[in-house]
Amino acid sequence: ETGVTQSPTHLIKTRGQQVTLRCSSQSGHNTVSWYQQALGQGPQFIFQYYREEENGRGNFPPRFSGLQFPNYSSELNVNALELDDSALYLCASSPRGANIQYFGAGTRLSVL
Amino acid sequence: SQQGEEDPQALSIQEGENATMNCSYKTSINNLQWYRQNSGRGLVHLILIRSNEREKHSGRLRVTLDTSKKSSSLLITASRAADTASYFCATGAYNNNDMRFGAGTRLTVKP
Repeated sequence: ETGVTQSPTHLIKTRGQQVTLRCSSQSGHNTVSWYQQALGQGPQFIFQYYREEENGRGNFPPRFSGLQFPNYSSELNVNALELDDSALYLCASSPRGANIQYFGAGTRLSVL
Repeated sequence: SQQGEEDPQALSIQEGENATMNCSYKTSINNLQWYRQNSGRGLVHLILIRSNEREKHSGRLRVTLDTSKKSSSLLITASRAADTASYFCATGAYNNNDMRFGAGTRLTVKP
């Protein structure tokens, strides 16, 4: 167990809807990163948050947005869902400057 | 976009045998890490090797890094059925904001 918790574990949405995924980071970790993992692929970096500010972003469109709260928990929001957004969404936390990331179990999103 | 490329994509061995997985990457790195994932769940960190290191050991794991060839290998010795999982290499840039993962090697260890 890494101490990183994600909710919900599974989610089914329809195309065009909006979704919010949540992540509670491990105690003492102030950096949170989000990844998208399509079936059979490796995780792809979406963005990272540090002290409530976006601190790096991968090649994802603006309809993927995030928030980090003062307690370092985080949300990933996806607007105008597309079928290709179906994936496992992983959250990872780490202390600032640390190389190792600690992953949650993920949220499986299905877009119909 | 993926940074690392693992090879092979899938590997099936008998318990007790050694498993070797390879990873190639494209850009300069600060470090390279190996992670394990069971059945589409969260990733678990296994080992980190820095760009100025050539080899590192942790229990039954041995990792090598060749920065001139931009490649790394993960060796699992005396494999067990419980080692069955997907293994990913991930490269960290110097600012470490963007950790790039490969597509992974799916390892099956038969009892």
